[in-house]
Amino acid sequence: DVKVTQSSRYLVKRTGEKVFLECVQDMDHENMFWYRQDPGLGLRLIYFSYDVKMKEKGDIPEGYSVSREKKERFSLILESASTNQTSMYLCASSLIEAGGPKFFGPGTRLTVL
Amino acid sequence: QQQVKQSPQSLIVQKGGISIINCAYENTAFDYFPWYQQFPGKGPALLIAIRPDVSEKKEGRFTISFNKSAKQFSLHIMDSQPGDSATYFCAASIGNRDDKIIFGKGTRLHILP
Repeated sequence: DVKVTQSSRYLVKRTGEKVFLECVQDMDHENMFWYRQDPGLGLRLIYFSYDVKMKEKGDIPEGYSVSREKKERFSLILESASTNQTSMYLCASSLIEAGGPKFFGPGTRLTVL
Repeated sequence: QQQVKQSPQSLIVQKGGISIINCAYENTAFDYFPWYQQFPGKGPALLIAIRPDVSEKKEGRFTISFNKSAKQFSLHIMDSQPGDSATYFCAASIGNRDDKIIFGKGTRLHILP
């Protein structure tokens, strides 16, 4: 059974903390994505990666960075968490040129106090 | 225009009925139209997708109808079941560019038992 797993389902952090969200996929997919999902706003792309050590900004990269040291792992980093980063964070993966993410992880509900 | 407009925001259907969710787009360059299904507490999952060279695609009880001239596409769920209760997202992308997929805002579907 194919899987995208995320390190935490729920996370509570304080303003100013550095936050790491980890994502691992076991499908040997080239593409990996980080989205945030907010009520009324749908899914918005933060960063994506087409290959190891490669990263590209999505629509809302401000306040975030990413790391992809291995093909199966894609990390999202909040350098200094702020309350407006309270959200559901979704990792996804797909094969190259699939037209869109095929598999999403279960999400991490991040609350920044 | 890069938006994908989805309606309704929420939908209640009796068990056994037909659920219909509609999406409209402006950018005629879109050439891939997937639908995602998201259960509470889970990440979205690709449900069914269509390309504009066909007007309809059916997979089990799920059908996408595509109207290229009207720039609209819709998801029909036949014989709706309580297990279909979920949030559904339509999306559109261009040229197999996974990072260029645009999501609708979502429709929360509830099937009454």
